Amino acid sequence: SQQGEEDPQALSIQEGENATMNCSYKTSINNLQWYRQNSGRGLVHLILIRSNEREKHSGRLRVTLDTSKKSSSLLITASRAADTASYFCATDLLYYGQNFVFGPGTRLSVLP
Amino acid sequence: GAGVSQSPRYKVAKRGQDVALRCDPISGHVSLFWYQQALGQGPEFLTYFQNEAQLDKSGLPSDRFFAERPEGSVSTLKIQRTQQEDSAVYLCASSLVFSGGPLNYEQYFGPGTRLTVT
Repeated sequence: SQQGEEDPQALSIQEGENATMNCSYKTSINNLQWYRQNSGRGLVHLILIRSNEREKHSGRLRVTLDTSKKSSSLLITASRAADTASYFCATDLLYYGQNFVFGPGTRLSVLP
Repeated sequence: GAGVSQSPRYKVAKRGQDVALRCDPISGHVSLFWYQQALGQGPEFLTYFQNEAQLDKSGLPSDRFFAERPEGSVSTLKIQRTQQEDSAVYLCASSLVFSGGPLNYEQYFGPGTRLTVT
């Protein structure tokens, strides 16, 4: 079973619009990471947010973390066609140490 | 600089064959992870090394799967007597470790090996 679950499973938007993806998880975590995967570049790390942080920014990306709700969101502003990819959240399991668990992903399509 | 490399990029095996997948992590990265990714799914953790020590192999799906990293750099994932359900992309990732464990740092992924078992 997977720790993280992204929502929605698929999202289609026009270039210039904002895209929001959500991730929910089940058990306590140390940190949560977001990754992007497309056929050209494989899996690429986007941002890491620690359990004691609530919000982080990186360029057009904004990630929030709500540990009370066990959820995180990834916002991509002013989307571009190049943002078309699958986006995964990944968490560690606080009480299990080494495991690093990915959700099933959100498939984002940005239409020109 | 060089990233994580994996070879071969594609492998077709007949059911029952043994396969060996290679991962070259980024130089100096202590931690190395193997994942299995089925089509349309997220990566599933298989095993983790810190240097040459295999600290977690809880994700290996059966005793047909074996991984090693004898000198703490290159790693090999071996699958014996391949089955059709082994068809997937196998991803390798590496990360630095300064403190707090490897999961506190981003993982750098290789391009993966796509294994097809016929």
